Amino acid sequence: AQKITQTQPGMFVQEKEAVTLDCTYDTSDPSYGLFWYKQPSSGEMIFLIYQGSYDQQNATEGRYSLNFQKARKSANLVISASQLGDSAMYFCAMREGVSGGTSYGKLTFGQGTILTVHP
Amino acid sequence: KAGVTQTPRYLIKTRGQQVTLSCSPISGHRSVSWYQQTPGQGLQFLFEYFSETQRNKGNFPGRFSGRQFSNSRSEMNVSTLELGDSALYLCASSLAATGRSGYTFGSGTRLTVV
Repeated sequence: AQKITQTQPGMFVQEKEAVTLDCTYDTSDPSYGLFWYKQPSSGEMIFLIYQGSYDQQNATEGRYSLNFQKARKSANLVISASQLGDSAMYFCAMREGVSGGTSYGKLTFGQGTILTVHP
Repeated sequence: KAGVTQTPRYLIKTRGQQVTLSCSPISGHRSVSWYQQTPGQGLQFLFEYFSETQRNKGNFPGRFSGRQFSNSRSEMNVSTLELGDSALYLCASSLAATGRSGYTFGSGTRLTVV
């Protein structure tokens, strides 16, 4: 079974509008972390935001916020005030065993969502 | 501070050859992970090294191997290259790769096998 599911292969948004990129996950581990990365055409993966499974508050980093619904196992990324430079591939990823360390270094990624920002 | 440096950026190899890719982590980072990215399979975890020890390994054949040096720099090697090994290989460094420790990725090495 897919551990990370991103159901939107592509999304379009108008510049300055907000957009939500969906991510659902599957794990039986109570301790996990969720990441969002941006990958422009250059190939580099750029870290955007992190949410721990025990975090009480939804994570926010500038224009990025994470809508974390633990019971639904969803961790949607919200980008406010979209900019042309936001056009890229976006990946949701999970690391399990955050406390126990049994999954050292291993991130499980979704298939990604290509975001296109129109002027 | 300098980011994660991967060399070379691009590589073309012939089927059957072997290749070595290099990754220099952020100064002070002791964990280095490697990923393979292809259009069909997406991003897949290869292995992780911490203080010269492999702590975790993904589901790849033995042709894929790696190592880490005392200065935390890491290399991965692919022997007997196959056409399907054509991919973007990404390296990520982290302080510890546990807990809330984040990962910083390099720009990758794009390998083409012909």
